[in-house]
Amino acid sequence: EAGVAQSPRYKIIEKRQSVAFWCNPISGHATLYWYQQILGQGPKLLIQFQNNGVVDDSQLPKDRFSAERLKGVDSTLKIQPAKLEDSAVYLCASSLNRYGYTFGSGTRLTVV
Amino acid sequence: EDKVVQSPLSLVVHEGDTVTLNCSYEVTNFRSLLWYKQEKKAPTFLFMLTSSGIEKKSGRLSSILDKKELFSILNITATQTGDSAIYLCAVETNRDDKIIFGKGTRLHILP
Repeated sequence: EAGVAQSPRYKIIEKRQSVAFWCNPISGHATLYWYQQILGQGPKLLIQFQNNGVVDDSQLPKDRFSAERLKGVDSTLKIQPAKLEDSAVYLCASSLNRYGYTFGSGTRLTVV
Repeated sequence: EDKVVQSPLSLVVHEGDTVTLNCSYEVTNFRSLLWYKQEKKAPTFLFMLTSSGIEKKSGRLSSILDKKELFSILNITATQTGDSAIYLCAVETNRDDKIIFGKGTRLHILP
């Protein structure tokens, strides 16, 4: 079974630039999560999708972050414009409801 | 507000020592507690605990849940340098399949 695919693996941008991350969950997994993990902290949920609908985006900074999951499969997370404090690892995870979560390898974003 | 608290935040021990990592939680609609090991970027699954008092074991790692006192411990015996990692505790809820993570315990094993 293929895992959760994320790209790019690393990204370095200047503040005020835009960036987008892509996630392809495990086939058939209805629930998809985006997490932000700042160095030294546990993952913080940014947004949760159930198929292509948003279940929870209460911690997503909507003035600069956006996410979509077209057709209930792939998802993209965008930051526009980026700030220094957005430097973090962005993890995507998917689950087949009630049967565990699988994480992607993450994207390490550095904003300079 | 749902929360998961891990302690200690960091721990340094010598190879061969035994360590105990703690996780306490306050959540509504508890479903299960999960432990993950994070070495590079992606957390890797260790244990899922749903019932109190039943120990889960995998090699030198073991974990147990106390649903009355709302905590779990993760034990690692005869530690090795390869055990150096961040250990994350997370709680699943029945509400919208939500999962809440603690901040993690950074474990460093000295040779």
